[in-house]
Amino acid sequence: GAVVSQHPSRVICKSGTSVKIECRSLDFQATTMFWYRQFPKKSLMLMATSNEGSKATYEQGVEKDKFLINHASLTLSTLTVTSAHPEDSSFYICSAGSDEAFFGQGTRLTVV
Amino acid sequence: QQQVKQSPQSLIVQKGGISIINCAYENTAFDYFPWYQQFPGKGPALLIAIRPDVSEKKEGRFTISFNKSAKQFSLHIMDSQPGDSATYFCAASWIKAAGNKLTFGGGTRVLVKP
Repeated sequence: GAVVSQHPSRVICKSGTSVKIECRSLDFQATTMFWYRQFPKKSLMLMATSNEGSKATYEQGVEKDKFLINHASLTLSTLTVTSAHPEDSSFYICSAGSDEAFFGQGTRLTVV
Repeated sequence: QQQVKQSPQSLIVQKGGISIINCAYENTAFDYFPWYQQFPGKGPALLIAIRPDVSEKKEGRFTISFNKSAKQFSLHIMDSQPGDSATYFCAASWIKAAGNKLTFGGGTRVLVKP
């Protein structure tokens, strides 16, 4: 299947700092990518839809100013967690694909 | 509002047995129903998917059964192996309107005992 690569796989940051997570489609172009958040032993919750060349669409309850999404090219979307706090610690996962959705490896964010 | 309900939450099966996981959905506009397998610390991996124009799809040891009138679909894992121990998620999307924007079920943790 198609390959979606996410980087970094793990990151630890201090409270108040910002962290950027990259999601790349390696062998196909993606005009749309999706960002999900997953808490331990829980399901995936959609955070936002990343649209190439336009603003992201956020799900209800997701703070767009905290979770900045940029989709500057057809193969790259970035999620920046701004002014991170311990409650932002989670597993963040992106997906892309037209006929089928393929997921990145995920990024474990720990805010200390 | 949980649009996709998954059961059971956990499942223990003996090696060689059959694992059965069920999902029910509410939104009749959904037109794509994938199943994902996830290991700890990893992203979900697509196992098998079905569209509502067929009632069953089989790929290797994995089979999806789909009942459009009941708005239910299930995953059967035949000849379960210890390596199948993982969390399984069903999902649904309305591809025509929203692309692969997935709504996930709550997940089922499967343990296959040797």
